[in-house]
Amino acid sequence: RKEVEQDPGPFNVPEGATVAFNCTYSNSASQSFFWYRQDCRKEPKLLMSVYSSGNEDGRFTAQLNRASQYISLLIRDSKLSDSATYLCVVNRLGSSNTGKLIFGQGTTLQVKP
Amino acid sequence: DTAVSQTPKYLVTQMGNDKSIKCEQNLGHDTMYWYKQDSKKFLKIMFSYNNKELIINETVPNRFSPKSPDKAHLNLHINSLELGDSAVYFCASSQRSEGDIQYFGAGTRLSVL
Repeated sequence: RKEVEQDPGPFNVPEGATVAFNCTYSNSASQSFFWYRQDCRKEPKLLMSVYSSGNEDGRFTAQLNRASQYISLLIRDSKLSDSATYLCVVNRLGSSNTGKLIFGQGTTLQVKP
Repeated sequence: DTAVSQTPKYLVTQMGNDKSIKCEQNLGHDTMYWYKQDSKKFLKIMFSYNNKELIINETVPNRFSPKSPDKAHLNLHINSLELGDSAVYFCASSQRSEGDIQYFGAGTRLSVL
C-alpha cells in the first residue's frame, strides 16, 4: 500500500463546477500536510498548506481529518486555468528531526469550457 | 530571478555515459533535495542535504552521487547511465530540514537511449 493515496482521475468538469479531491495517508506519524499543483511538464508548486482546523484560500478549501488520516481539497467555481495535476503531500519527521515529503501520485483535473 | 534553477533542462544521452545535473538556489535556504519523477508521475525523493551535509539518502543506486559544494548548490552526478534512469529530475530547496515548504526547480528531462 502506498503511503499517500489519491485517485489519479482524470476528473473532467465544466467551468464553474465545484470539484473535490480526496487523499488518504497511512503513516500516523505524518506531521504536516500540503496540496501542490503541477502543470503539464512543469515543476510542482505549493498550492496551500493544510491545517487541522481547515483552511480556505479564495476558491480553494483544504480539510484535514487526522483521526481518519484523510485530506481533501475543494475547488469552487472551477476555471479553465485550474486544469492541472493536484498532488497530496504529507511530511513525516524521521531521525534527527529530518522531514521527508511523501507525494501522492496526483489527481488530474481537466476543466472544460 | 529564478529561485531554484537547474541545468540542463533537457539531457539526451547514450547508455553507459556519465552525466551531471546542476542546481542552485538563491533563497538562502539550508536544505536542498533531489527528486525523481518517473513516467507514472510518482515524485520520489532521492537525496537531501542540509548545510552541505547529507541527511536523506533513499535507496538509490550508488551510480548516483550528489555533491554539495556549498549550501546554495546541490549537483547530481550519474555514472554508467541506464535506460531506467530516464525520468524528470527535480531539484528543490526548503528553509529547514524539518519538512518546510519546498520550492522546486523547473526539472531536467533525462532521456537515456
